[in-house]
Amino acid sequence: DQQVKQNSPSLSVQEGRISILNCDYTNSMFDYFLWYKKYPAEGPTFLISISSIKDKNEDGRFTVFLNKSAKHLSLHIVPSQPGDSAVYFCAASANNNDMRFGAGTRLTVKP
Amino acid sequence: DGGITQSPKYLFRKEGQNVTLSCEQNLNHDAMYWYRQDPGQGLRLIYYSQIVNDFQKGDIAEGYSVSREKKESFPLTVTSAQKNPTAFYLCASREGSQYSVYGYTFGSGTRLTVV
Repeated sequence: DQQVKQNSPSLSVQEGRISILNCDYTNSMFDYFLWYKKYPAEGPTFLISISSIKDKNEDGRFTVFLNKSAKHLSLHIVPSQPGDSAVYFCAASANNNDMRFGAGTRLTVKP
Repeated sequence: DGGITQSPKYLFRKEGQNVTLSCEQNLNHDAMYWYRQDPGQGLRLIYYSQIVNDFQKGDIAEGYSVSREKKESFPLTVTSAQKNPTAFYLCASREGSQYSVYGYTFGSGTRLTVV
């Protein structure tokens, strides 16, 4: 039972444009959401998070939006840079318990 | 520098053999986790430990075993009972019972291949 879903396995965008990565979840008890970035043969690194009491969190070029009624969150990267090319994982947890991850979206930013 | 160290980075195992993956952290984190990554399936939780001498099964614990004798160490043994052990294994940790805004800290992973 996959509680966190990233339905797009890959995304390709042009440098300087906006990248939008999407994530859906099914567990209404999730109260904390995170995005991780992962390069090949490395562990994921934290990118940005959002609590369920907020609907937006911004950090530089990265913004995460949360729509609780739709059980949907998205990560916006603008402007996209070639160094942003990586796999992005969406993750969620409920009541400080262990985290559930999506399958990841491979972002390719073309120069 | 504080962090999580996983070793070895690459590991080859013959069918029928047990193999142990190492995970050590010097972050003084209480909770530690083992995940497995397969293509198209994201990260799946194998085992986790909230405190020393205690651990719980995750979603795919069959064929794996762990121990947590020290706070710093959380080794994972892949036994011969694990049907498809070839994967990328990730260890993670988290401090205390409070949310870290950064979620988990991950190691760099071990790629296990059964030959």
